[in-house]
Amino acid sequence: GAGVSQSPSNKVTEKGKDVELRCDPISGHTALYWYRQSLGQGLEFLIYFQGNSAPDKSGLPSDRFSAERTGGSVSTLTIQRTQQEDSAVYLCASSPGTAGNTIYFGEGSWLTVV
Amino acid sequence: GNSVTQMEGPVTLSEEAFLTINCTYTATGYPSLFWYVQYPGEGLQLLLKATKADDKGSNKGFEATYRKETTSFHLEKGSVQVSDSAVYFCALGGNFGNEKLTFGTGTRLTIIP
Repeated sequence: GAGVSQSPSNKVTEKGKDVELRCDPISGHTALYWYRQSLGQGLEFLIYFQGNSAPDKSGLPSDRFSAERTGGSVSTLTIQRTQQEDSAVYLCASSPGTAGNTIYFGEGSWLTVV
Repeated sequence: GNSVTQMEGPVTLSEEAFLTINCTYTATGYPSLFWYVQYPGEGLQLLLKATKADDKGSNKGFEATYRKETTSFHLEKGSVQVSDSAVYFCALGGNFGNEKLTFGTGTRLTIIP
């Protein structure tokens, strides 16, 4: 079946503009995650959705970052008033939502802020 | 809180050499442990995992054993190939219902023929 799908795969935006990144998780997966991977850095957790529970937003770096998950499926990560330090690969992942389950990653959205 | 300390890279080895990438963790409870791999130009994918102490995960000739006494999950392979060149990430996840993964910083491995 289809894996985690992300769009756009590449986005170049001007500093100060807003961007939206989309994630389609694997069908039936209740858990959805956003991570950020900066050049030469590890993976930084941003936000986690699990079913109907309140999302874990503890990793969002500032109030310019927000994410929604509609209908328990598709998620959108929004970055407002982008800054150059926001340039990174934004990875979405999903999992079936039970302990020890594998988390499956999309190929990421590469964001460049110029 | 949870944390993962991973061997610094980059690591360069000759083909058929023995590989070890160290990983230690700090966690409350009994986490699951994972190794993820990112091949050049590809997305992150699961390499292997272990969900309880003394479990051994294995895949593609790689192995890692969940050692609770040393809080470690070192990745090993007896004979590496050029195709193993990638970035390897150690990670831990909760075991009490689904939780986010905490990743190490990644180790870039290059295998030369």
